[in-house]
Amino acid sequence: DVKVTQSSRYLVKRTGEKVFLECVQDMDHENMFWYRQDPGLGLRLIYFSYDVKMKEKGDIPEGYSVSREKKERFSLILESASTNQTSMYLCASSLGVGRGLNEQFFGPGTRLTVL
Amino acid sequence: QKEVEQDPGPLSVPEGAIVSLNCTYSNSAFQYFMWYRQYSRKGPELLMYTYSSGNKEDGRFTAQVDKSSKYISLFIRDSQPSDSATYLCAMSAGSNDYKLSFGAGTTVTVRA
Repeated sequence: DVKVTQSSRYLVKRTGEKVFLECVQDMDHENMFWYRQDPGLGLRLIYFSYDVKMKEKGDIPEGYSVSREKKERFSLILESASTNQTSMYLCASSLGVGRGLNEQFFGPGTRLTVL
Repeated sequence: QKEVEQDPGPLSVPEGAIVSLNCTYSNSAFQYFMWYRQYSRKGPELLMYTYSSGNKEDGRFTAQVDKSSKYISLFIRDSQPSDSATYLCAMSAGSNDYKLSFGAGTTVTVRA
């Protein structure tokens, strides 16, 4: 059974803190993604990684950075958390190209609250 | 204007009813169309995957794509309480295009 896990289900942080969200997949997938999900806005892509140490900015990368040192692990970093980064964060992975690229497997999400 | 529009609902139907969900889009380059299902406190999971125009059926689920109208639909026949979830449409321009454009999602409740 395919599995994408995220380090925390719920997280509360203070404005200005550095925040790390971790994601691990056990499917040997090349591609990994970080999205945020907000009511009425759907899923918006923050960053995409198509190989170890290779990454591309998504639609809303401002205020975020990522790290992928190993194929199975993709981290999202909020350098200095702000209240407008309060959201649900979803990690996903997918295999290669073609349908595999579009068929993304999602983790359960981390609900981050920044106070 | 959003690239993909989806009525957020919520939609409440009695068990056994047909659920009809739809999305409209503005980008004529989209060729691959997906429906994801997201249960409460879970991540989305792929439900249906279609290419170009036409229908695709999988059990109680039917996905339709009308590229000429830029309109896609998902029908759920004989709905069950276990179908209660948020349904997200998603689409991409090519099989090598990693960017999916998502609708905002429609929340469906099937009443027993």
